[in-house]
Amino acid sequence: DAKTTQPPSMDCAEGRAANLPCNHSTISGNEYVYWYRQIHSQGPQYIIHGLKNNETNEMASLIITEDRKSSTLILPHATLRDTAVYYCIVRVARDDKIIFGKGTRLHILP
Amino acid sequence: NAGVMQNPRHLVRRRGQEARLRCSPMKGHSHVYWYRQLPEEGLKFMVYLQKENIIDESGMPKERFSAEFPKEGPSILRIQQVVRGDSAAYFCASSPTGTGSSYGYTFGSGTRLTVV
Repeated sequence: DAKTTQPPSMDCAEGRAANLPCNHSTISGNEYVYWYRQIHSQGPQYIIHGLKNNETNEMASLIITEDRKSSTLILPHATLRDTAVYYCIVRVARDDKIIFGKGTRLHILP
Repeated sequence: NAGVMQNPRHLVRRRGQEARLRCSPMKGHSHVYWYRQLPEEGLKFMVYLQKENIIDESGMPKERFSAEFPKEGPSILRIQQVVRGDSAAYFCASSPTGTGSSYGYTFGSGTRLTVV
């Protein structure tokens, strides 16, 4: 079973920052937080991951709270192409099995 | 640098036939994972393989489904005697290492299986 809780859907205006929350209150010290997205039945796409520190790459930023019980994925300037289901996943590195939950369906509004 | 290659993209089988889905991991990746996505549902883990070894098959149905990743060639997910309920998108993913790695997966574009 997935160890994360995400809102089922969110809306965001095009050009604005999309902030997607994720709760993982039972996360263990050696578990990473991963974000993937799936655009309209395509294969899931890796976005970003982190352990303790905030992370940023060309796609997004990941903000992890100090107690690590929640995190936020930030898409800084959302476009219509960012419409997708976003999955937050916690995973122990030594356990390579990724379990997907229901994710958040993000709608970007023109 | 080709990504994870899955073929065929679309596969139609009559009930009772066999379906073979192929997955070629990214170059340098030795770990393969299969997932199934039923219509309007989430991704369900099926099996995790390394070359010539099945590491975790906890998500595989007990009957009719099998998977292999031979020393040479692609990984194969085989479904015998397909039924309408097998109609789904089957995704393959690969990663460069297994235990101890923080790397994520790279997914293929999937094979859409339709059983008629």
